[in-house]
Amino acid sequence: GAVVSQHPSWVICKSGTSVKIECRSLDFQATTMFWYRQFPKQSLMLMATSNEGSKATYEQGVEKDKFLINHASLTLSTLTVTSAHPEDSSFYICSASPGQRGAFFGQGTRLTVV
Amino acid sequence: AQTVTQSQPEMSVQEAETVTLSCTYDTSESDYYLFWYKQPPSRQMILVIRQEAYKQQNATENRFSVNFQKAAKSFSLKISDSQLGDAAMYFCASTNFNAGGTSYGKLTFGQGTILTVHP
Repeated sequence: GAVVSQHPSWVICKSGTSVKIECRSLDFQATTMFWYRQFPKQSLMLMATSNEGSKATYEQGVEKDKFLINHASLTLSTLTVTSAHPEDSSFYICSASPGQRGAFFGQGTRLTVV
Repeated sequence: AQTVTQSQPEMSVQEAETVTLSCTYDTSESDYYLFWYKQPPSRQMILVIRQEAYKQQNATENRFSVNFQKAAKSFSLKISDSQLGDAAMYFCASTNFNAGGTSYGKLTFGQGTILTVHP
């Protein structure tokens, strides 16, 4: 149990376009999901907390207009990178928690903006 | 606020040997959880082991065990009989206990330790 699925695994987009990444909890409901960004050989940096039915909570320094988060159901959160630029290229990972067992992560999405 | 520190950027071990990865943390909370995650080259984050702060007994999962020293705020991971498949980046992480349960997933991560396993 506790499977989190993230899609797509990788995406290449042109500068100025928008990209949507989906995060699904497959066998549990998640009122809260989390989005992280990770650069090569570095730790995960929390970007925002996605709250079902309400606005996301963004960490300091994260542009909310650049990274739009929607959590429309108890099993799905989406992250949209708007007007993407090469500096947005990174590895994005989502997570969700079924409770005290800990957090479980999606497979991650490698975004390349050209 | 919580902080997690991993002071070993890289470690190496011979296959079948034992290695210990260090982690220290700081928190003002009385109830919290500690975790070790493994991130292999595929970059999928895999939960290795977890420890509940109110439990004194050290957690164990097969070849993986922890040495939890609450007073010293230390949480090290021991890997016994190391295997080639153990090669990965390992992250120590913490989260607060929350009565509503929504904060279990909000993790504070250490910097990570890259583990190399030599055949």
